[in-house]
Amino acid sequence: KNQVEQSPQSLIILEGKNCTLQCNYTVSPFSNLRWYKQDTGRGPVSLTIMTFSENTKSNGRYTATLDADTKQSSLHITASQLSDSASYICVVRLRAGGFKTIFGAGTRLFVKA
Amino acid sequence: NAGVTQTPKFQVLKTGQSMTLQCAQDMNHNSMYWYRQDPGMGLRLIYYSASEGTTDKGEVPNGYNVSRLNKREFSLRLESAAPSQTSVYFCASSEVQGETQYFGPGTRLLVL
Repeated sequence: KNQVEQSPQSLIILEGKNCTLQCNYTVSPFSNLRWYKQDTGRGPVSLTIMTFSENTKSNGRYTATLDADTKQSSLHITASQLSDSASYICVVRLRAGGFKTIFGAGTRLFVKA
Repeated sequence: NAGVTQTPKFQVLKTGQSMTLQCAQDMNHNSMYWYRQDPGMGLRLIYYSASEGTTDKGEVPNGYNVSRLNKREFSLRLESAAPSQTSVYFCASSEVQGETQYFGPGTRLLVL
């Protein structure tokens, strides 16, 4: 069964600290993996996209990694800011006819002053 | 450039009532999507439209209908609302099917 599992479900960190969010998937055949940021009361916004051949992609203080062999991805946030408080959603697309996209349930990050 | 807009922002319905959620995008995207988001679950695809004039069922289409009115607009209709349809509904669009999606702000629906 195609699934995307994220951990932890929620996380509290102090402003200025780093953190890493995890995403494990069993999706096959794999096409690409995206990380989205969803602020409270808003729609998700794309942060990064990685294909099978890419293992690191950065967007400012956000760095995503991908290990296609172990089917794991992580999102590392450096020097967190209060505005990083949001849900982070891992999304995997299948490489198949048409398209099928599987969304993870997200990790809720709280950054405290 | 407003991106993806949705109306209404909030709605309360009684069981059995009908309503239409509206979505419009100004990015000249070909593909549009409707999702629902429930607590503790990932976004689930209700219906999508790969291009103007086509619509297809997603993962959870039962109880919903859609209309791709033109390239800009994609509406979602609940013919007879049920409490199980209480959710947050997101519309999204992408330049082509399967590419990065741009989401609207969501419609929060409560069915009593």
